[in-house]
Amino acid sequence: NAGVMQNPRHLVRRRGQEARLRCSPMKGHSHVYWYRQLPEEGLKFMVYLQKENIIDESGMPKERFSAEFPKEGPSILRIQQVVRGDSAAYFCASSLSYYGLADTQYFGPGTRLTVL
Amino acid sequence: DAKTTQPNSMESNEEEPVHLPCNHSTISGTDYIHWYRQLPSQGPEYVIHGLTSNVNNRMASLAIAEDRKSSTLILHRATLRDAAVYYCILKETSGSRLTFGEGTQLTVNP
Repeated sequence: NAGVMQNPRHLVRRRGQEARLRCSPMKGHSHVYWYRQLPEEGLKFMVYLQKENIIDESGMPKERFSAEFPKEGPSILRIQQVVRGDSAAYFCASSLSYYGLADTQYFGPGTRLTVL
Repeated sequence: DAKTTQPNSMESNEEEPVHLPCNHSTISGTDYIHWYRQLPSQGPEYVIHGLTSNVNNRMASLAIAEDRKSSTLILHRATLRDAAVYYCILKETSGSRLTFGEGTQLTVNP
């Protein structure tokens, strides 16, 4: 049973470009979460999505960041007009449900974004 | 989110048991206690979680105090591969996010 997959694993962008990070949840999981880990800092929640719905985006920066989880295909975290401060590791997690014992989140290996 | 307190770092010797403490004095009745770990350059890895009773799985054991204000993650025989940052996290029954603190950096000596 494949785990959470993220691609690319490493992404280099110049300032002003767009970054698209992809996350394929574990088989059967319909809940996806994105977290960011800035250099020398802890993991911070960004957004929680279910298929076709954003449930909680309280951790997302107000501008330039967006996320989606379409009916078909992976979840996408999109960063427009990247700046150097966006350089970080971005982790995706998925869960079977949001409630009780079924809400355990399983993480992917992350995408390391470097903005030049 | 309720707050947890963990030591910044701990050391252990290979093949010895390790007890990682976590204080959570403001825990509410609906909070689950989750433990994750993060190996260098990897994503967080789920270790174990529980509500009131002690829990065991193939990776570790979780001992929860009777008043639920503290818990201890137990690695029965530490290996070099267990060197990681261990996070103790309180999560509401139906909450979405995990709130990571600074965790405990575990060093395992050969």
